Amino acid sequence: QITLRESGPTRVKPTQTLTLTCTFSGFSLTSSGVGVGWIRQTPRQALEYLALIYWDDDKRYSPSLKTRLTITKDTSKNQVVLTMANMDPVDTATYYCAHRVPGTGSWDVGVFDYWGQGSLVTVSS
Amino acid sequence: EIVLTQSPGTLSLSPGETATLSCRASEIVGSNYLAWYQQKPGQAPRLLIYGASSRATGIPDRFSASGSGTDFSLTIGRLEPEDFAVYFCQQYGNSPQTFGQGTRLEIE
Repeated sequence: QITLRESGPTRVKPTQTLTLTCTFSGFSLTSSGVGVGWIRQTPRQALEYLALIYWDDDKRYSPSLKTRLTITKDTSKNQVVLTMANMDPVDTATYYCAHRVPGTGSWDVGVFDYWGQGSLVTVSS
Repeated sequence: EIVLTQSPGTLSLSPGETATLSCRASEIVGSNYLAWYQQKPGQAPRLLIYGASSRATGIPDRFSASGSGTDFSLTIGRLEPEDFAVYFCQQYGNSPQTFGQGTRLEIE
């Protein structure tokens, strides 16, 4: 059974860096083809892809946000970490991590079949 | 990037009826890589369809989808009370992958 769970601060101030951790179980991020992604959903319900990381440490980012994002993995802990620099109130959203279905498109994209419950982050001074 | 426009914004139907949701892309979606998700309040999106017409594991056959190029649709037959939710399409045929703005399916 695949599960994912996001954790991190519920509130950050403008210009700060957000760090979110995704802890997963039921699959291994050392197995060929496996990837974990981050997607966020704004208060107006818009979904936006952020980043993907793969078993071989290949990392892919949304072109519009790549200068602010860093995704890493710790396979010993079954965790994926996303950092987003220079946070702004428009970054207020629920942040999800999700398991990518292997073989769904190029390495820059993917379909997500298991999602965490989401982590609501508010950016406010 | 490809913009996905979903219609209608809100669809009001009764249980037992059939719902048809539309997703139109601003450019041709590569390889017809189009997915559909269902989202209920307070929950994460749930994958229903990928590859334009393939049901994900555990999705009942009341859910069907079709389309190609720029026009795609999701059909939900014999609506059950648990089907009333928000539905999003996603294209993953072109980078960056993008999502539609959603269609709310509500009980009439």
